Amino acid sequence: GIQVEQSPPDLILQEGANSTLRCNFSDSVNNLQWFHQNPWGQLINLFYIPSGTKQNGRLSATTVATERYSLLYISSSQTTDSGVYFCAVELYSGGGADGLTFGKGTHLIIQP
Amino acid sequence: EPEVTQTPSHQVTQMGQEVILRCVPISNHLYFYWYRQILGQKVEFLVSFYNNEISEKSEIFDDQFSVERPDGSNFTLKIRSTKLEDSAMYFCASSEFGTLAKNIQYFGAGTRLSVL
Repeated sequence: GIQVEQSPPDLILQEGANSTLRCNFSDSVNNLQWFHQNPWGQLINLFYIPSGTKQNGRLSATTVATERYSLLYISSSQTTDSGVYFCAVELYSGGGADGLTFGKGTHLIIQP
Repeated sequence: EPEVTQTPSHQVTQMGQEVILRCVPISNHLYFYWYRQILGQKVEFLVSFYNNEISEKSEIFDDQFSVERPDGSNFTLKIRSTKLEDSAMYFCASSEFGTLAKNIQYFGAGTRLSVL
């Protein structure tokens, strides 16, 4: 099956710092989503980004599908950004409803 | 904003008992999914469901698991005889489209299942 690798596994930053999270995947994908899992366990949709660049406030994401990686940028970090960030991909299989394959996540801690 | 609703938020059960986890997908969505996350690990796909039948399933989704859409709004996951290793957070998700279109999956808040 498809492999999804996220780096770094852990990241500790001071409030106000910027960060870049990376997601590498091993095959062509039809769907790529970034999620934030908050301390209560909820998975919050950040981006649907199988290719290209998107921005939403302090967050932005870029996926280079031909090189099989995606980057999530967080600028001016706040303590509420803490949590685990997951990249998840859906392999193109020609139809139906395929599940997302998740990476192991990046555990981000923002210290005040 | 429409959301996926899951009940209960926490379920405690004895090993060997049957449990049913319930989900109400977003109303205009046609594709439904179950995932699980063992504590401290990544989220794993279990099964997808479309047009009243299973579309895809993973190796985890064995004969102990079943899914059903009993009416026009609910989507359920049943575990027939729970084992200790079934303890996990179970997420329901739904999407408007399938793989061939813009298939954004929206997740519920999860049900934490504790098997004692």
